Amino acid sequence: AQKITQTQPGMFVQEKEAVTLDCTYDTSDPSYGLFWYKQPSSGEMIFLIYQGSYDQQNATEGRYSLNFQKARKSANLVISASQLGDSAMYFCAMREGNTNAGKSTFGDGTTLTVKP
Amino acid sequence: NAGVTQTPKFRILKIGQSMTLQCAQDMNHNYMYWYRQDPGMGLKLIYYSVGAGITDKGEVPNGYNVSRSTTEDFPLRLELAAPSQTSVYFCASSSPGTGTEKLFFGSGTQLSVL
Repeated sequence: AQKITQTQPGMFVQEKEAVTLDCTYDTSDPSYGLFWYKQPSSGEMIFLIYQGSYDQQNATEGRYSLNFQKARKSANLVISASQLGDSAMYFCAMREGNTNAGKSTFGDGTTLTVKP
Repeated sequence: NAGVTQTPKFRILKIGQSMTLQCAQDMNHNYMYWYRQDPGMGLKLIYYSVGAGITDKGEVPNGYNVSRSTTEDFPLRLELAAPSQTSVYFCASSSPGTGTEKLFFGSGTQLSVL
């Protein structure tokens, strides 16, 4: 079974609007971390935001927030006030456990296109 | 601060050739990783290391080898290159006990095997 599922291969959003990118995960480990990374067309991987499984509040980093619903095993990324520079591929990833060498499992990604 | 440095950025190999992808980090991270990204897909873990002298297989290790003689360097060796190894390869590092253990990535190596 897929550990990380991103069901939206592609998304479009109008500039200045908000957009939600979906991510569901599967783990039986009570301790885990969830990440979102951005990959622009230039190819580099950029860390955006992190949510720990024991964190009580949803993570926020500037225009990025993570809508963490533990019971539903979802960790959706919300980008507010979209900018043209947000056009990129976005990956959800999960690190399981505290003694797992920090290994992360990635979803297949969502391509976001911001329209002017 | 250089972070994670990968070389080369691009390479074309013929079937059956071998090569080594270089990776170095200057952040004193214990953990290092090699991932591959096939077109339109997510990253899959090839090998990882938790410290000098310690390496282990990830999800897709076949056709690859690694070594970790120092904390800084984590080269990936491709023996007998095959077209199925055409991919973008990312080296990454992280530091345990930092709370997030987010991955710091190199800029990637685009490899084509023809």
